[in-house]
Amino acid sequence: EAQVTQNPRYLITVTGKKLTVTCSQNMNHEYMSWYRQDPGLGLRQIYYSMNVEVTDKGDVPEGYKVSRKEKRNFPLILESPSPNQTSLYFCASSASGTSGSMTQYFGPGTRLLVL
Amino acid sequence: AQSVTQLGSHVSVSEGALVLLRCNYSSSVPPYLFWYVQYPNQGLQLLLKYTSAATLVKGINGFEAEFKKSETSFHLTKPSAHMSDAAEYFCAVSESDSWGKLQFGAGTQVVVTP
Repeated sequence: EAQVTQNPRYLITVTGKKLTVTCSQNMNHEYMSWYRQDPGLGLRQIYYSMNVEVTDKGDVPEGYKVSRKEKRNFPLILESPSPNQTSLYFCASSASGTSGSMTQYFGPGTRLLVL
Repeated sequence: AQSVTQLGSHVSVSEGALVLLRCNYSSSVPPYLFWYVQYPNQGLQLLLKYTSAATLVKGINGFEAEFKKSETSFHLTKPSAHMSDAAEYFCAVSESDSWGKLQFGAGTQVVVTP
C-alpha cells in the first residue's frame, strides 16, 4: 500500500530535550515536506526537500532541522524543543514535476506536546 | 507571493443540504489550486485540484469546485451533505513556478446535523 508513515504518532516531552520525528514514504517520491498545523492558522511549511541531500526552508523553519540522506526518509529534528513548538506535525511527499501541480500525499500526523 | 483566504472557520449544514465552502486566492502567476479534507485524527486527503484544464473540477465523494479567475475564487460545493462529510476542509494554492510550495488556508470545519 502506498503511504507516508510517521513515528511517533503522539509525543510528550520537556523543554530542551532533543527529539526526532521520523517520516518515511514508499512511493519513490523525490519531494518531501514537513508542516505544522495550529488552530486558526492552517498548515504552515517548515522545511522541504526536492531530493536526496537537497533541503530548503519553508515559512516557519526556526527551531527545526531536517536531513535527507535517503530518498524514502525525511526526519524532523527538534534540538531544543520549546512549548511554542507544541503542535500537530505532518509529513508529505509528492512525485517530481516541473510545476506546482503535483499532488502531495500526507502522513497521519504526529501530535507533540512540549512541557 | 501566494495566499489563500477561506471564509468561515465553521460551517454547519443539515444532512441533504448544499455544502458551500468559500476559498479566495492571490497569486502573481497562474495558480494551481487544491482542496484537501481532514477527517478526525487523520492526515489530509486530496479532494480535487485545478491544474489549468477544465475550470469545473470534479473530485471524490461528490465534491466539485469551480475556478473563477475574474473573482480569484475556487469555491467547493456538494449538492447534498452526508453525515460522513463532517471534517475540516483546506484550500491550498501553488504557483506554477514554485514546485512543491503549497500555501494553505486556515481551514473550515464542517458540521453536518441530522
